[in-house]
Amino acid sequence: DTGVSQDPRHKITKRGQNVTFRCDPISEHNRLYWYRQTLGQGPEFLTYFQNEAQLEKSRLLSDRFSAERPKGSFSTLEIQRTEQGDSAMYLCASSPQPDRVGYGYTFGSGTRLTVV
Amino acid sequence: AQSVTQLDSQVPVFEEAPVELRCNYSSSVSVYLFWYVQYPNQGLQLLLKYLSGSTLVKGINGFEAEFNKSQTSFHLRKPSVHISDTAEYFCAAATTDSWGKFQFGAGTQVVVTP
Repeated sequence: DTGVSQDPRHKITKRGQNVTFRCDPISEHNRLYWYRQTLGQGPEFLTYFQNEAQLEKSRLLSDRFSAERPKGSFSTLEIQRTEQGDSAMYLCASSPQPDRVGYGYTFGSGTRLTVV
Repeated sequence: AQSVTQLDSQVPVFEEAPVELRCNYSSSVSVYLFWYVQYPNQGLQLLLKYLSGSTLVKGINGFEAEFNKSQTSFHLRKPSVHISDTAEYFCAAATTDSWGKFQFGAGTQVVVTP
């Protein structure tokens, strides 16, 4: 078990380009979460999956953002037409099912996005 | 909905001195409370959590926190810090109807100097 893996660790992109991040959760974890963390702030919830089903999306997740977890394993987060305000650390976390709040909830190291 | 306020954005402390990080929450329903630590360029690591029971909870690396319902607080303490405790600390809350969706505070940067 190598924990939650996120790829890439860093991404620099030009404004208007599309970017895609990947998260590989702990293998036996059914739930997968995406958070965004801007400089000087705590993480903010974006969305979460139970297996392949996306169960909830935050209002922070605009139409330019889309997340998938096609086979209930890894997940991707895509941002289309990036804006400078999208610059942030994108964190992924996973947890097992049945899920007690905070039990076995593991974060990845994040993907830092810089939009120039 | 719940909210979490961390009262100090930065706390400087000398090595081997005690430290307290303050966290207040607000919620219309029962909450679960957590403290996470984040080292540079890393994800978040759970220090401790309060779900129910004893209001004094002990975590990893010598940290402890006390849940105070009347003051809606969950302050984190360590009696003697090390240089390696330099990091950002986040208080977080979740409720039974927000499974896995944490509300984080803005964080407290702890800087330990010799």
